[in-house]
Amino acid sequence: KQEVTQIPAALSVPEGENLVLNCSFTDSAIYNLQWFRQDPGKGLTSLLLIQSSQREQTSGRLNASLDKSSGRSTLYIAASQPGDSATYLCAVDPGGGADGLTFGKGTHLIIQP
Amino acid sequence: DTGVSQDPRHKITKRGQNVTFRCDPISEHNRLYWYRQTLGQGPEFLTYFQNEAQLEKSRLLSDRFSAERPKGSFSTLEIQRTEQGDSAMYLCASSLLGNEAFFGQGTRLTVV
Repeated sequence: KQEVTQIPAALSVPEGENLVLNCSFTDSAIYNLQWFRQDPGKGLTSLLLIQSSQREQTSGRLNASLDKSSGRSTLYIAASQPGDSATYLCAVDPGGGADGLTFGKGTHLIIQP
Repeated sequence: DTGVSQDPRHKITKRGQNVTFRCDPISEHNRLYWYRQTLGQGPEFLTYFQNEAQLEKSRLLSDRFSAERPKGSFSTLEIQRTEQGDSAMYLCASSLLGNEAFFGQGTRLTVV
C-alpha cells in the first residue's frame, strides 16, 4: 500500500526566505505526482504536476523536483511572501484511475511579515 | 467553465438523517473522484468514475454511502443514516485521462 510522508509537518519562516518542502513515497511505481495548496476551510488548488518521466517542473516562484527511484519529491518556494501561507499537500497517482491520489498529511506553512 | 463546482458548501444535519452532495466537474473531464478529508489529514479516496461508470470504491465507502454519475456529467454522493463520524470535508475532483486533477471547494458536513 502506497504511503506518502511530508516533512516538516509545520514551518514558520520570515518573509523573503527561500524554503523547501519534502515529500516521500514508499512505492516508486507512480504515474505522476502533484503538489497542491489548501487554504483553511477551502478546497485544493493545483500548483504543479510532474509526470513520472520528468525530473522537475517550474511555475513562477515554485519549482518541484521528482526522484522516482528514491521515492522523493521537493517543492522549492523562492522569495516567500505572506500570501504563500497555507497547507501544502503532495499526492501521488498510481495511474489507471483506480484508488485515486494518495496524499500526505501536508506541511502547514506560515510566512511571517 | 470556471472549474469544479460543489454544492452545498456547508451542511449541518442531525444524526440519522440522509444527506446528498452534488459535484459538477470540468465539462470535458471524463474522470471524477470523491475524497473525504478530516482535520489535520490529507484527503482520502472514496470512489472514482470514468464517464458514467463507477470503477473503484474504497473500503472507506460503507454501505451507507452511494455515489452516482448519470450520463457522465455531474455526480452525487449520498450518505444515509448519518453518524457523527461522517463529519468531514467532502471533496470532488475531476481530470482528463489521469492528467492534472482539479478540485472543488468542498462540502463541509457537520453531523450533530
